[in-house]
Amino acid sequence: GAGVSQSPSNKVTEKGKDVELRCDPISGHTALYWYRQSLGQGLEFLIYFQGNSAPDKSGLPSDRFSAERTGGSVSTLTIQRTQQEDSAVYLCASSLGLADLYEQYFGPGTRLTVT
Amino acid sequence: GIQVEQSPPDLILQEGANSTLRCNFSDSVNNLQWFHQNPWGQLINLFYIPSGTKQNGRLSATTVATERYSLLYISSSQTTDSGVYFCAVISGNTGKLIFGQGTTLQVKP
Repeated sequence: GAGVSQSPSNKVTEKGKDVELRCDPISGHTALYWYRQSLGQGLEFLIYFQGNSAPDKSGLPSDRFSAERTGGSVSTLTIQRTQQEDSAVYLCASSLGLADLYEQYFGPGTRLTVT
Repeated sequence: GIQVEQSPPDLILQEGANSTLRCNFSDSVNNLQWFHQNPWGQLINLFYIPSGTKQNGRLSATTVATERYSLLYISSSQTTDSGVYFCAVISGNTGKLIFGQGTTLQVKP
């Protein structure tokens, strides 16, 4: 596609349920990033993929959060046993390669509300 | 870790006015991006600017990496310029972006 796409655009879930968020990067982009935007914490890095590998997972807030990427393309962020503090907008970005060389481009985000 | 500070936090302008937004960072960085987050939450790329000056229409940006700051200039502002402007820096070899807290701009007609 022309840009980064994410689905769903909105997700409301009950506390304790698991959720999956999807990101489709720009075609040909080998690097993929997940970020989270919340009122109290601003924009925070979660995880970085180069191809299907995740060399930097340092931003994942707990072991309830995991992510995978398959075929060097689509990525899924999974949150298990959701908590109210997980409510935020989850943003995905992609770039041609290592982003000290290439711009990152962002998707529209998934707004997650945990009730 | 590296700290990114943006100023001012809030800015209100009349349509047609000019403005300068500032981004300071606490350590050397490999690169820097400016984004505009529109009212629907989409982050729109404005500039990818590790150093020097770039211009795109009414917007321009300058990064002085040796002095650890970047400036975003908006000239002849329009109501559609309203939103939050973020500066983000890249430090280290994984390319993750570290964001400032943003400048919220409101342009009044």
